Amino acid sequence: DTAVSQTPKYLVTQMGNDKSIKCEQNLGHDTMYWYKQDSKKFLKIMFSYNNKELIINETVPNRFSPKSPDKAHLNLHINSLELGDSAVYFCASSQWGDTQYFGPGTRLTVL
Amino acid sequence: SQKIEQNSEALNIQEGKTATLTCNYTNYSPAYLQWYRQDPGRGPVFLLLIRENEKEKRKERLKVTFDTTLKQSLFHITASQPADSATYLCALVLLYNFNKFYFGSGTKLNVKP
Repeated sequence: DTAVSQTPKYLVTQMGNDKSIKCEQNLGHDTMYWYKQDSKKFLKIMFSYNNKELIINETVPNRFSPKSPDKAHLNLHINSLELGDSAVYFCASSQWGDTQYFGPGTRLTVL
Repeated sequence: SQKIEQNSEALNIQEGKTATLTCNYTNYSPAYLQWYRQDPGRGPVFLLLIRENEKEKRKERLKVTFDTTLKQSLFHITASQPADSATYLCALVLLYNFNKFYFGSGTKLNVKP
């Protein structure tokens, strides 16, 4: 059983489009995260939810909107995609600051 | 803000030798520090955690040290194997915010047979 899953794995789209990435964890964790990994492999936190409540909201354009319908799911919606949004997006989960379990990543390419 | 530095240059070593990777941080002292392994096209995988009051942690061929005076952690892989080739990331968690992980950009390790 996959612990943290993300869909889709690859996403290729045009500038200006709106897209969503979905994440699910079956570990029973109470905290979920979205990270962005750029071409230099730098992994930067974007958002974190604890028990469906937003607890970390880094300096991210408001075109990015996370949504957590329940503890096991955290989705990321991106409006008006820009070239600079191209990156690999990772979802992760943990039990309140403990070890992070990462999903396989979604490679987003904006053309 | 917190800054984590890892050697951005790849580390190339011969099979059987010990690999040593460095993680330096600035500003605040972390509550604990973690090391992750990332293979191409995959998410990072947790390896070891070391707390601020611990000097050293071991797990099989892996060893992590933590020097809060130098603000540095060293990650060692003894008797390295080609299968150890990957990018290794360090991450620290601060005392006042247990949910926020600061990651370094990772060091790529190449172990040659």
